[in-house]
Amino acid sequence: DIQLTQSPSFLSASVGDRVTITCRASQGISNYLAWYQQKPGRAPTLLIYSASTLQSAVPSRFSGSGSGTQFTLTINSLQPEDVATYYCQQVNVHPLTFGQGTRLEIK
Amino acid sequence: EVQLLESGGALVQPGGSLRLSCEASGFTFSSSSMTWVRQSPGKGLEWVAEINTSGYITYYADSVTGRFRVSRDNAKSMLYLQMDSLTVGDTAVYYCATHGRRGVVFIGNDYWGQGTVVTVSS
Repeated sequence: DIQLTQSPSFLSASVGDRVTITCRASQGISNYLAWYQQKPGRAPTLLIYSASTLQSAVPSRFSGSGSGTQFTLTINSLQPEDVATYYCQQVNVHPLTFGQGTRLEIK
Repeated sequence: EVQLLESGGALVQPGGSLRLSCEASGFTFSSSSMTWVRQSPGKGLEWVAEINTSGYITYYADSVTGRFRVSRDNAKSMLYLQMDSLTVGDTAVYYCATHGRRGVVFIGNDYWGQGTVVTVSS
């Protein structure tokens, strides 16, 4: 199975900061990577697919990059409503797998 | 508007069985692969199972293979998860989700239900 390792596991940043979360795959997955946002008590929502394509209605301050085994999610100008846990998921090969999550808080 | 409504969650004893259902609306259900994802209390997301559009192809996480079975009824726009030999480790919120596509490329889970709670305890 493909393992996804996210870093950091916890992140505290100020409003307006630029935030970067990394997802590393145990083997190459091309660009078959998705990013999700999960707010407390809510179901996850898809933010980015194919590593860098923004899902419709997602604010443009979110962006994704990477290919192969190394991927990043960037939030430019962090907003209070971005407090959430973020997960990466590989959709290249079954069983599909998620990273362990990165919890983002506002300082 | 896409809607996914899970049901069937309950308190069940270890070794017991449960069948979850997911009622879909607002899209062409028969054209969408579907997924079950779970989340244990205070933990991360775990992909559980997937079924293709026809129902003939299924995939499972190693942790549930041989115990869980995913199925669908396209005529009723319903997705199911039959769970047998349940253990305490299966305690979680279970979400159904669409497995979206852009052309021939699968992109991930673009629509999610609100989840149903399964508690396995004696």
